[in-house]
Formats: sequence, C-alpha cells, structure tokens
Amino acid sequence: GAVVSQHPSWVICKSGTSVKIECRSLDFQATTMFWYRQFPKQSLMLMATSNEGSKATYEQGVEKDKFLINHASLTLSTLTVTSAHPEDSSFYICSALMPGLSGSTDTQYFGPGTRLTVL
Amino acid sequence: QKEVEQNSGPLSVPEGAIASLNCTYSDRGSQSFFWYRQYSGKSPELIMFIYSNGDKEDGRFTAQLNKASQYVSLLIRDSQPSDSATYLCAVDSGGYQKVTFGTGTKLQVIP
Repeated sequence: GAVVSQHPSWVICKSGTSVKIECRSLDFQATTMFWYRQFPKQSLMLMATSNEGSKATYEQGVEKDKFLINHASLTLSTLTVTSAHPEDSSFYICSALMPGLSGSTDTQYFGPGTRLTVL
Repeated sequence: QKEVEQNSGPLSVPEGAIASLNCTYSDRGSQSFFWYRQYSGKSPELIMFIYSNGDKEDGRFTAQLNKASQYVSLLIRDSQPSDSATYLCAVDSGGYQKVTFGTGTKLQVIP
C-alpha cells in the first residue's frame, strides 16, 4: 500500500519559535498533499491544500502567513508553524493524494501525524 | 456547502457481531466514497473506497453505496475488540480533488 511519512512525530517548542514539519510520499508521486489539524476529541480540520510547484490553497480562517506551506517536489511538502503559541498545540496530519490507475479513483493516504506542544 | 454526516456514537456491539456504520452526504454529484479508521491518538488509515452503487467486500469489511438515497455504509463482520476506533466517512465530489470528511462514528466492540 501507499506509504506517507511525517517528521518529526512529536515536537515541543517554546512560544515564539518556528517549527517545520515534513510530509513525504515514499512510494508514489503526489502532486497534491493536504494538511490537517486535529484537536483532542475533535474531527479533522483541513488547513490547506498543497500543490507541487504552486502556492497552497488555504481554508477559510487559516492564516497563510502563520502556516507556511512549501511543496517543492512531488514527494515532499512542508508545513512551518511560525511564531508558535500555546493555542497552536495540536495534532498535525498530512495526507498525500495517490493518483488512481485508469478507471480508479484518486485516494488520500495519511501520514502518521506530528504532535506539536508549544510551551 | 457540501456536508457529510455521521452519527458520533459511540456505537457499542458485542464481539463477533456485525457493526453497521452509516454516512449520508448532501452533494448528489459526489463520485467517490472512502472509509477510514482512526485509533485514538493516531492518524486515519484507509479501509476501503467505493464508487459504484452496490456492495464492495474486502475481508470482514463491506462498503455499501446507494447514490439515489445518498448514503454509504460500512459493515464490519465478526467484530473484534481491535476494531474499536473512530470510523470516518469521506466523500469526493470530484474536480477539486478535495474530499469532505464526516466527524466520525466511534465504535466500541465489547469483549
């Protein structure tokens, strides 16, 4: 099956610092990747859609200057949380869209997630 | 706005029983439908997808799609305690390549 990795799996940082999270599709090329955030006991919230070679598309209410997304290659997208604050503490999950074979549907595969704690 | 609705549960079933999880969607033009399983503290993992009306079976899992009634369901046969998780329904309306996720149904399989 399709494998998507994320690094780091968890990070603790001080308020005001920036944190970069990497998302990689290991065995397929992903033109499109997605970044989600999930708070405890809540559902997935889509933050942005990342397209290789172009600017990310952010969902309403997500600050693009705070959550910087770079999708520089077909296997790597990064999310940088700039000037992190305690309210940014959450579980950040990426997914990569695996193109479907002829007649089959494109499918999202998720990375294992990154747990961010901002002190 | 495209909506995907699921009963939040928890849905409790005894071990060995059939668990039935349901999902309805608002966009009649939706094309592909996905079921993901998410254990507590983990990211979602794909169980299966379906895009044609009818049933699709994969091991103990069966996805059922009824586009006329705009619902998709997931049946889990011979439920095991390890199946206890939150099950997310996702619907792809095509075009923008973005799926809409339901809020998930929490399943508890009682030993």
